[in-house]
Amino acid sequence: QKEVEQNSGPLSVPEGAIASLNCTYSDRGSQSFFWYRQYSGKSPELIMSIYSNGDKEDGRFTAQLNKASQYVSLLIRDSQPSDSATYLCAPWARGKLIFGQGTELSVKP
Amino acid sequence: SAVISQKPSRDICQRGTSLTIQCQVDSQVTMMFWYRQQPGQSLTLIATANQGSEATYESGFVIDKFPISRPNLTFSTLTVSNMSPEDSSIYLCSVEPLAAETQYFGPGTRLLVL
Repeated sequence: QKEVEQNSGPLSVPEGAIASLNCTYSDRGSQSFFWYRQYSGKSPELIMSIYSNGDKEDGRFTAQLNKASQYVSLLIRDSQPSDSATYLCAPWARGKLIFGQGTELSVKP
Repeated sequence: SAVISQKPSRDICQRGTSLTIQCQVDSQVTMMFWYRQQPGQSLTLIATANQGSEATYESGFVIDKFPISRPNLTFSTLTVSNMSPEDSSIYLCSVEPLAAETQYFGPGTRLLVL
């Protein structure tokens, strides 16, 4: 079992729709969780962090955390073609980030 | 966040040679990390560089192949030694700012080994 599991995609959504990206993790000691966005040919960019159960909203992005279920998600509302990228889920565990394989998102105009 | 630069941004090297990649950050940071990202893959942590001590390597990575230096709180180098075509990859430096449990990434170094 991988430490961090994400659907590899590609996930294709129409412009203006909600994109839902999911992630499960195995280390119950993880307390901090991060979402990175990586455009093709670029380095990962931190877009969201979440530390407590529940929802955290930042603009069009909402991160959701359920520690009991070991589940993290990222919702992107009103998706735009510029959101097309790979999204990496990364719990913090044992003094480092543990990256998932990433979900490729494609937003079609 | 932190402003991170890497040199070189890209290079083409011959097999058997070595390349040293530099990572510079604009503020003091606790930890610096070196990752490899092969085409179409996620990030693989090579090692963690803590100032004043030996780097900590992940399983599958050894110091003889990837020696790392961390002479101060704003700078680190990663050397890819005795390169083979399998070392062709993007190498990324990331930093953990002081009192922050997260990481920011540099722009990466694209390496092609012929």
